[in-house]
Amino acid sequence: AQKVTQAQTEISVVEKEDVTLDCVYETRDTTYYLFWYKQPPSGELVFLIRRNSFDEQNEISGRYSWNFQKSTSSFNFTITASQVVDSAVYFCALSEAFEAAGNKLTFGGGTRVLVKP
Amino acid sequence: DTGVSQDPRHKITKRGQNVTFRCDPISEHNRLYWYRQTLGQGPEFLTYFQNEAQLEKSRLLSDRFSAERPKGSFSTLEIQRTEQGDSAMYLCASSLGTSGGGDTQYFGPGTRLTVL
Repeated sequence: AQKVTQAQTEISVVEKEDVTLDCVYETRDTTYYLFWYKQPPSGELVFLIRRNSFDEQNEISGRYSWNFQKSTSSFNFTITASQVVDSAVYFCALSEAFEAAGNKLTFGGGTRVLVKP
Repeated sequence: DTGVSQDPRHKITKRGQNVTFRCDPISEHNRLYWYRQTLGQGPEFLTYFQNEAQLEKSRLLSDRFSAERPKGSFSTLEIQRTEQGDSAMYLCASSLGTSGGGDTQYFGPGTRLTVL
């Protein structure tokens, strides 16, 4: 069975500090997809990134960067120079590749990020 | 470009009543999903449609829950004889899938259900 663990329940930083969110996953499949979503106080889940299990290249998008390490089953997310607008709950999620699996997302418990001015 | 919409946004009901939620996916998306999120937790998968076919249901979806997607467009989620434990945010998502899994799912704003 799939499982996603986000060990950090809450992180508080001061604006302009960097913050790294940990995500560790478990799956028996060799082909899978990993995602990060942001849930601001308004409640709507916002898609941030999708990565397949064969692509271990790190990715940077503006102030966001992702570090995928298959050897440690981790897909960590870093926000550089945090801003107050980054305050939200961030979820890591896993999806199996095969249609028979239903394409469902398995989410971690989320990490609440609070960025103070 | 219209995103996923859900109606109503909030629903307060008394225990034992039936409630129905609606989800309108992104227009060209063939796959639609329902998730439930309780306070302080990540969303949990409930069920999944490809076009009008319901292909998977979670064990969380008891007999009191039923979902439909007539004609492969909008979907409804009905909860019969609501219980206080049904209080949660119900999230709908849609994706464009060709084959296999791993689609990017886009979420609606959710329907927050409170059962008194």
